Amino acid sequence: NAGVTQTPKFQVLKTGQSMTLQCAQDMNHNSMYWYRQDPGMGLRLIYYSASEGTTDKGEVPNGYNVSRLNKREFSLRLESAAPSQTSVYFCASSGGRDLLSLGQFFGPGTRLTVL
Amino acid sequence: DAKTTQPNSMESNEEEPVHLPCNHSTISGTDYIHWYRQLPSQGPEYVIHGLTSNVNNRMASLAIAEDRKSSTLILHRATLRDAAVYYCILFLIVFGNEKLTFGTGTRLTIIP
Repeated sequence: NAGVTQTPKFQVLKTGQSMTLQCAQDMNHNSMYWYRQDPGMGLRLIYYSASEGTTDKGEVPNGYNVSRLNKREFSLRLESAAPSQTSVYFCASSGGRDLLSLGQFFGPGTRLTVL
Repeated sequence: DAKTTQPNSMESNEEEPVHLPCNHSTISGTDYIHWYRQLPSQGPEYVIHGLTSNVNNRMASLAIAEDRKSSTLILHRATLRDAAVYYCILFLIVFGNEKLTFGTGTRLTIIP
């Protein structure tokens, strides 16, 4: 199993450009999440999806949109990138009978720089 | 949401036990205590969790105070690979809706 995969690993954008960060999990998890991590900070939740077809805002949703394409995939879109969105973005998933004991599984992250 | 307080940084010698403290004085009766760690340039990974009783797994032990207002993550024999940021997190699990609120964590340095 690959676990949680994210693409791309690195991205540089100019202010105003748009892009979509892709995330996929192969663990048959119901819940998926997008976080951002700024330098020296903990992770902050952007959006989450408790199940296929549902999405909800987290702590810092402004400037982002998400799509839960199917049970496996959860994408994050920046419509008009701003320098304040320079960060490392992590996707995570959780679910199944061992939800409590296994916690959330995180991908390797996407390092985004907006110039 | 209930808050946690952790020291910003700690150091420990290799092959010695490490005790990482966490205060959570506003914890509610149904909040679980979870610990995650983040190795350099990686996403966080689950370490251990507990509710009221002390817990052990292959990675660590979790000691929870009787009043649940504090807990301690114990690494029994630190290795260089344990150098990471450790996060203590509280959350209430409702099926399909568990949101982790990360603080800034404790940066653990292991001295060879």
